[in-house]
Amino acid sequence: DIQMTQSPPSLSASVGDRVTISCRASQGIRNHLAWYQQKPGKAPRSLIYAASSVLSGVPSRFSGSGSGTDFTLTISSLQPADFAIYYCQQYDLYPITFGQGTRLEIK
Amino acid sequence: EVQLVESGGGLVQPGGSLRLSCAGSGFTFSAHWMNWVRQAPGKGLEWVANIRQDGSVTHYVDSVKGRFTISRDNADNSCYLQMNSLRAEDTAVYFCARHPGDNQAYFDYWGQGALVTVSS
Repeated sequence: DIQMTQSPPSLSASVGDRVTISCRASQGIRNHLAWYQQKPGKAPRSLIYAASSVLSGVPSRFSGSGSGTDFTLTISSLQPADFAIYYCQQYDLYPITFGQGTRLEIK
Repeated sequence: EVQLVESGGGLVQPGGSLRLSCAGSGFTFSAHWMNWVRQAPGKGLEWVANIRQDGSVTHYVDSVKGRFTISRDNADNSCYLQMNSLRAEDTAVYFCARHPGDNQAYFDYWGQGALVTVSS
């Protein structure tokens, strides 16, 4: 199975900050990487697919990059609604696997 | 508006069975792979299974193979997860989720989730 490792596990930041979350795959996955946001008690929200393509309706402050084994999610200017847990997910090979999550907290 | 609504969750004893349902609306259900993804209390996301548009192909995570079966009824715009031989570690919120297209095995829409608790 492909292991997805996110760093950091948690992050404290302030409104207006630029934040970067990393995701590393245990083997190359081309650009078959998606990012999700999840708030407590809610279903995940899909943000990015194909490593860097932003889904319709997602604010432009969210961006993704990377290919192969190393990927990043960047939030250019944090807003109060952005404090949540973020997950990466690979879909290059079965089984589909997720990272363990990065908790983004208010400083 | 795309909607996925899960039902059928509840409390079941270890070794018991439960069947989850997912009703889709607002899109052409028969055109999409469908999935089940679960989340144990306080834990991360775990993909469980998916099924091709016509039901001819399924995939499972190893931990549920031989115990869970995914199926669908396109006439009813529904997807199902039959869960047998349930264990305490199957306790989780189970989400139904859609792939947007072939060779695009990420999830673009999710249901609100159904809680399954396995306990005596």
